Amino acid sequence: GENVEQHPSTLSVQEGDSAVIKCTYSDSASNYFPWYKQELGKGPQLIIDIRSNVGEKKDQRIAVTLNKTAKHFSLHITETQPEDSAVYFCAASKGNNDMRFGAGTRLTVKP
Amino acid sequence: SAVISQKPSRDICQRGTSLTIQCQVDSQVTMMFWYRQQPGQSLTLIATANQGSEATYESGFVIDKFPISRPNLTFSTLTVSNMSPEDSSIYLCSGRQGTTEAFFGQGTRLTVV
Repeated sequence: GENVEQHPSTLSVQEGDSAVIKCTYSDSASNYFPWYKQELGKGPQLIIDIRSNVGEKKDQRIAVTLNKTAKHFSLHITETQPEDSAVYFCAASKGNNDMRFGAGTRLTVKP
Repeated sequence: SAVISQKPSRDICQRGTSLTIQCQVDSQVTMMFWYRQQPGQSLTLIATANQGSEATYESGFVIDKFPISRPNLTFSTLTVSNMSPEDSSIYLCSGRQGTTEAFFGQGTRLTVV
């Protein structure tokens, strides 16, 4: 089955700096790669996603890149703000199946 | 995207008892899933809730321990049976319409004492 690895497990940046979180997946048939943000006491919220027919996608300060050959994808957050502090999860799925999640990255943005 | 209302949001239960968690989606969805999340950990899939048929369980999870119902395309329940302290965790339901994004309920924080 699919195995998703995520790095780093924790990340601390200064407000205004950029943050990058990286994930690799094992199943070459996976074709959908979402990123979720989870705040304390809440369920994961989708922040951006990318499909396998696209190499990059951007939404304001957030961007995701996908390298299908290497089977890895990355989340980029620019101009970080304290409210970006949360746990971020990458995931992979194929078709309409369930999501397989990475271990999570705890991002802290210091003011 | 659709909204899932999950309840209860938290509960403290005695060992040996059972708790049923409910999820209601505000629109019909093809797929519903149940996950477990230990504090500070990732999400682990328990099962896929199939409408009108038995749920499909992941390795390590069995129907006797985690019976699931899905009577229609907007509602599902997960029961945690004969609870022990090891079942203390956050339980999350998720919905997905076809190949669109998956969205989550707010989770149920379960503590077994």
